[in-house]
Amino acid sequence: EAQVTQNPRYLITVTGKKLTVTCSQNMNHEYMSWYRQDPGLGLRQIYYSMNVEVTDKGDVPEGYKVSRKEKRNFPLILESPSPNQTSLYFCASSLMREQTPLHFGNGTRLTVT
Amino acid sequence: TQLLEQSPQFLSIQEGENLTVYCNSSSVFSSLQWYRQEPGEGPVLLVTVVTGGEVKKLKRLTFQFGDARKDSSLHITAAQTGDTGLYLCAGPPTSGTYKYIFGTGTRLKVLA
Repeated sequence: EAQVTQNPRYLITVTGKKLTVTCSQNMNHEYMSWYRQDPGLGLRQIYYSMNVEVTDKGDVPEGYKVSRKEKRNFPLILESPSPNQTSLYFCASSLMREQTPLHFGNGTRLTVT
Repeated sequence: TQLLEQSPQFLSIQEGENLTVYCNSSSVFSSLQWYRQEPGEGPVLLVTVVTGGEVKKLKRLTFQFGDARKDSSLHITAAQTGDTGLYLCAGPPTSGTYKYIFGTGTRLKVLA
């Protein structure tokens, strides 16, 4: 089954404790992206990747890191999480051809206390 | 900067009622996509509209792309409780960028 898998689904952590949210897709998509979703602010892009070893900042990259060492994986790293990073995070992938859709994971709800 | 504004932001209706959600922009888009996000899940594509004036139907859902390709609408006929969710319109990346543009979303609740 074609899918984007994120782990964990839920995560509660404390300020400053490094964490990684994993994302993996099995559709051989070149494009992968991370979003955060907050009430009243919609989906905001954090980072994206056009292919292996090619990443770039989205609209809200501060406090996040990403890597794309393999085509299927695109982990999101929070080196020193802060409470303002409490949010619902989505990973998505796409073929990046005209009119192709984004395929989203089921989300990771992160709480930083 | 391309922006997509959706209205209304929130909608609560009774089962069986009709509703329309709007997605507007001052920019021209080559196509627009509509996604539905159910609680606890990621957004899932419903439809892509490509041609100005195009109308697409998906069972009780009717999607329209404006003639000038700056706006789109989603009409639901005889809403059901299963239609409850967040509806998002999205524009594809423009040439030279890699950013999908997402609308602000319409949260729909259909009451039994």
